[in-house]
Amino acid sequence: GDSVTQMEGPVTLSEEAFLTINCTYTATGYPSLFWYVQYPGEGLQLLLKATKADDKGSNKGFEATYRKETTSFHLEKGSVQVSDSAVYFCALSDGYDMRFGAGTRLTVKP
Amino acid sequence: DTEVTQTPKHLVMGMTNKKSLKCEQHMGHRAMYWYKQKAKKPPELMFVYSYEKLSINESVPSRFSPECPNSSLLNLHLHALQPEDSALYLCASSSRTSGGNYYEQYFGPGTRLTVT
Repeated sequence: GDSVTQMEGPVTLSEEAFLTINCTYTATGYPSLFWYVQYPGEGLQLLLKATKADDKGSNKGFEATYRKETTSFHLEKGSVQVSDSAVYFCALSDGYDMRFGAGTRLTVKP
Repeated sequence: DTEVTQTPKHLVMGMTNKKSLKCEQHMGHRAMYWYKQKAKKPPELMFVYSYEKLSINESVPSRFSPECPNSSLLNLHLHALQPEDSALYLCASSSRTSGGNYYEQYFGPGTRLTVT
């Protein structure tokens, strides 16, 4: 079945460092891809999305490009802030069924 | 407005209690979901309602009973739970694309459930 694999965490960075969180997927069809963020004690917030190959999703300085040839959707940010500390989930969906990666915990230190 | 609300925020219940979790959205979404999330894990799908009808039940034990009274509300009735059912319960909703697929899901803040 469809699945998502995320890089293992935790990831610790200094403020203003460059962030990459790797995500690859396996799917039989043409799913939509998502990044969700979960702050401590909260639900998941949609960070960005891409619905077809070569689409780039972006929001709040975060970006990810839907790469069909490498089945990837890596999350990047040029300069992280302490407030970006959270757990990030990569996900795919081609209907009701949303499959999440294991999540990557990011800690940004001042 | 992309808000999904959930009540209560926290719930502590004994194994013989009956309680309900509530979820509400006013985005006009016709699909609503219940997820269970254990600590340091991704959400696990429990139930999906589409147009107020149960579409997916991921083999959830009968001590969890979902209900969708109308297109804006989703309840999860709890009875005779076990301590291992303690978790964050998340509600989500999504709209349907013109192509027939369901689009991104919007999540509520969750109910932190503790079973004693």
